[in-house]
Amino acid sequence: DQQVKQNSPSLSVQEGRISILNCDYTNSMFDYFLWYKKYPAEGPTFLISISSIKDKNEDGRFTVFLNKSAKHLSLHIVPSQPGDSAVYFCAASAETTDSWGKLQFGAGTQVVVTP
Amino acid sequence: DAGVTQSPTHLIKTRGQQVTLRCSPKSGHDTVSWYQQALGQGPQFIFQYYEEEERQRGNFPDRFSGHQFPNYSSELNVNALLLGDSALYLCASSLVTSGQVYNEQFFGPGTRLTVL
Repeated sequence: DQQVKQNSPSLSVQEGRISILNCDYTNSMFDYFLWYKKYPAEGPTFLISISSIKDKNEDGRFTVFLNKSAKHLSLHIVPSQPGDSAVYFCAASAETTDSWGKLQFGAGTQVVVTP
Repeated sequence: DAGVTQSPTHLIKTRGQQVTLRCSPKSGHDTVSWYQQALGQGPQFIFQYYEEEERQRGNFPDRFSGHQFPNYSSELNVNALLLGDSALYLCASSLVTSGQVYNEQFFGPGTRLTVL
């Protein structure tokens, strides 16, 4: 049962342009969302997060938007840089007794930033 | 400041064997979670240890077991290995304070397990 979905397995974007990564979820109990970036041969690195009480969180070039009614979130990277080429994972968690501290991940989106 | 470390980096086993993977959490962290990442998929939660006890478990069979030591390091054990257990095994650490777990989990580089 895939509760977090990233429907775009890959994204190619030109350097300097905006990258938009999308993520959908089905579990209405999710109340915290995170984005991780993963380079080959490394573990995922935490990028940015957002609580369900907010609809936007910004950190430098990275902004995450949350639309709770649509159960959708997106990550915007502006401007995109070659070092941003990586796999990006969306993750979600719920502060319920049986989900406390458990992250559910999407399948990831491979981003390639071209010069 | 050392991040999350895992050993070994790579491991090759045959079906039916048993394997133990090790993880040391980031300095100051007290909670360790284990994830399995199959090729082309996102990490799947196996279980989480806090205060030397298993606190949460994902949909993995009893062949997967773990342990947390007083210094917060952790082991993942898999018995009776199957071909389908071939994956990258990730350890993540986080901090619990005042009963709240910080959702930002910090991951190690993983152990690549190949079962032949």
